[in-house]
Amino acid sequence: SYELTQPPSVSVSPGQTARITCSADALPKQYAYWYQQKPGQAPVLVIYKDSERPSGIPERFSGSSSGTTVTLTISGVQAEDEADYYCQSADSSGTYRVFGTGTKVTVL
Amino acid sequence: QLQLQESGPGLVKPSETLSLTCTVSGGSISSSSYYWGWIRQPPGKGLEWIGSIYYSGSTYYNPSLKSRVTISVDTSKNQFSLKLSSVTAADTAVYYCAIDSSSSSYWGQGTLVTVSS
Repeated sequence: SYELTQPPSVSVSPGQTARITCSADALPKQYAYWYQQKPGQAPVLVIYKDSERPSGIPERFSGSSSGTTVTLTISGVQAEDEADYYCQSADSSGTYRVFGTGTKVTVL
Repeated sequence: QLQLQESGPGLVKPSETLSLTCTVSGGSISSSSYYWGWIRQPPGKGLEWIGSIYYSGSTYYNPSLKSRVTISVDTSKNQFSLKLSSVTAADTAVYYCAIDSSSSSYWGQGTLVTVSS
């Protein structure tokens, strides 16, 4: 089955930059989306189509893509950014959606 | 802004069929730019895509669940539904409904479904 691989955890101090990677073979062909999920809440879309930011999402959230890896960058991390982050994309045919394994971001 | 609400039994017996409905308010779900889907999250675990249905009527299901899943839409009621048959304890999860477009994603708050006798 197709999988998106993320690091289990990332720790960052307030004001620093957090980078979360997501890797899979089909990422050069399919867009990636990033979701933020806080405990007990539904996920919220923070990046779509690799690097676009939905309205209402702070500018400190950005996305990029290079080959088989996409990256979510949180610049100037704030305490409120502590959450689980999931990438989401599709298989090479674009038929089946898949979520990444998830990354827990801890603000020290 | 669309708002989504999942509804259905919170407890389902093993081997029975799990049925959930997602009711949408704040706008019509009838848009060619939308597709409707279900996602689940077992307690303490990650997100799993269950399946999606597109405006065209085409449905796509997670291959691991395909034989047990049916997703349908009733645009007249502004609702879409999930049926998952032959459930086991492994199907215990928070189930989310979601409406996606190319630039947005609206999710319900989620509903916990426990499979237990």
